[in-house]
Amino acid sequence: SAVISQKPSRDICQRGTSLTIQCQVDSQVTMMFWYRQQPGQSLTLIATANQGSEATYESGFVIDKFPISRPNLTFSTLTVSNMSPEDSSIYLCSVDIWGDEQFFGPGTRLTVL
Amino acid sequence: AQRVTQPEKLLSVFKGAPVELKCNYSYSGSPELFWYVQYSRQRLQLLLRHISRESIKGFTADLNKGETSFHLKKPFAQEEDSAMYYCALRGGAAGNKLTFGGGTRVLVKP
Repeated sequence: SAVISQKPSRDICQRGTSLTIQCQVDSQVTMMFWYRQQPGQSLTLIATANQGSEATYESGFVIDKFPISRPNLTFSTLTVSNMSPEDSSIYLCSVDIWGDEQFFGPGTRLTVL
Repeated sequence: AQRVTQPEKLLSVFKGAPVELKCNYSYSGSPELFWYVQYSRQRLQLLLRHISRESIKGFTADLNKGETSFHLKKPFAQEEDSAMYYCALRGGAAGNKLTFGGGTRVLVKP
C-alpha cells in the first residue's frame, strides 16, 4: 500500500492568482496521477506525471494552465494557474503501485472567488 | 475511447434490503474493472476489482463482457454502506489510467 499526503488540504484564492498543490508519497512510485473533481461531478484525469519525463496531459488540459513537477519518485506538484471560479474543485493525486492498485490522496479543496 | 456509465446518481434503500449499483462500460479490448468507494470524510479507496473475484464487505461484482457491465451487488445493505461508489475502468492503450463513472450515492436508511 501507499500513504499519500497533500498540501494544502483546502484553500480559498482570488481569481487571477495561482496555487501549487503538493503530493507526497511514503514510498517510491513510478506513476502519479492528478485528478480534478468538480462539485457534484466524478473524477477527471488531468495528467500523468512520471519521474524524469514531461507530464502527459489529457484532452482539455494544458501545461500552461496546470504545470506539473515530478522531481523525484515520492513527490509531485500541480499548479493551478491564473485561477477563475470555474477552477473551484477538489484536486486529488493518486499513485499506481506496480500497475496493480491506485491509492488516492485526501484531496485539496480549492475555492476561487 | 473508453467510457464508464453509472446510470443512477442516488440509490436509497432500507437496511437489510438488497442493493445493486449498475455500471456499464465501453471499451474495445479486455478491460480491468474496479469499484472504488468514498465514505464520508474519507479518501477514495478501492473496494474490489474484477480480476480478484472476491467479496469485500459483502459486496460482489461480476464482469459481464457480453453486456459490458460490472454491476455491484450486496444482498443485505447495512447503514455503514452509505457512501459514494465509483466504477472505474483501466485498459490497454490508456496504460494505467483510470476512467471513472459518474458515481452513485448510496443511502441506507435504518
